[in-house]
Amino acid sequence: DTAVSQTPKYLVTQMGNDKSIKCEQNLGHDTMYWYKQDSKKFLKIMFSYNNKELIINETVPNRFSPKSPDKAHLNLHINSLELGDSAVYFCASSHAGEGETQYFGPGTRLLVL
Amino acid sequence: GNSVTQMEGPVTLSEEAFLTINCTYTATGYPSLFWYVQYPGEGLQLLLKATKADDKGSNKGFEATYRKETTSFHLEKGSVQVSDSAVYFCALRGNAGGTSYGKLTFGQGTILTVHP
Repeated sequence: DTAVSQTPKYLVTQMGNDKSIKCEQNLGHDTMYWYKQDSKKFLKIMFSYNNKELIINETVPNRFSPKSPDKAHLNLHINSLELGDSAVYFCASSHAGEGETQYFGPGTRLLVL
Repeated sequence: GNSVTQMEGPVTLSEEAFLTINCTYTATGYPSLFWYVQYPGEGLQLLLKATKADDKGSNKGFEATYRKETTSFHLEKGSVQVSDSAVYFCALRGNAGGTSYGKLTFGQGTILTVHP
């Protein structure tokens, strides 16, 4: 009965590698998001998709490429990983509409060595 | 652009003490306001929200009132418990028609520790 799920939960990798994080929601929402939480707990939006279309792209390096195969999935692919990419990445989903609550996944803890 | 400012932490309280975490915001129009809580090692959970001025959100003994005149959404709880120890985030969601529509803008988070 998980609402928003992410895989993997932990990801440890070397600099320069390419990795993907997957997100799925079973809430019937039409909008999905990726947020990055840094080591100081600060959260910032990266991307948002509505009905598989990109609607928010917040000055994220083009090494990060989101892909939404359908409304229930939003994956994040990262090329040429750098040390500064180490963070916790959260997926979220919501209905599109003012005041709608965003529901968050458990997070993926990425460590780049 | 939109911004949210929370009181600096960490906040350390004894059980049954009164809690206030201040939150003020800057936004155009009429944003929706949220408090999220993050327990250690977990994702964010919605604690409460308010979508228009003078609305009061409440949940699990926590309350916050949307004050447009002071652009504030302070979080309060009358008697905290050890299980309330977590990081609390104030956030706003821009309204339709603005460039910030849809995304949540977060404050920096406030770490709360409650001792027995």
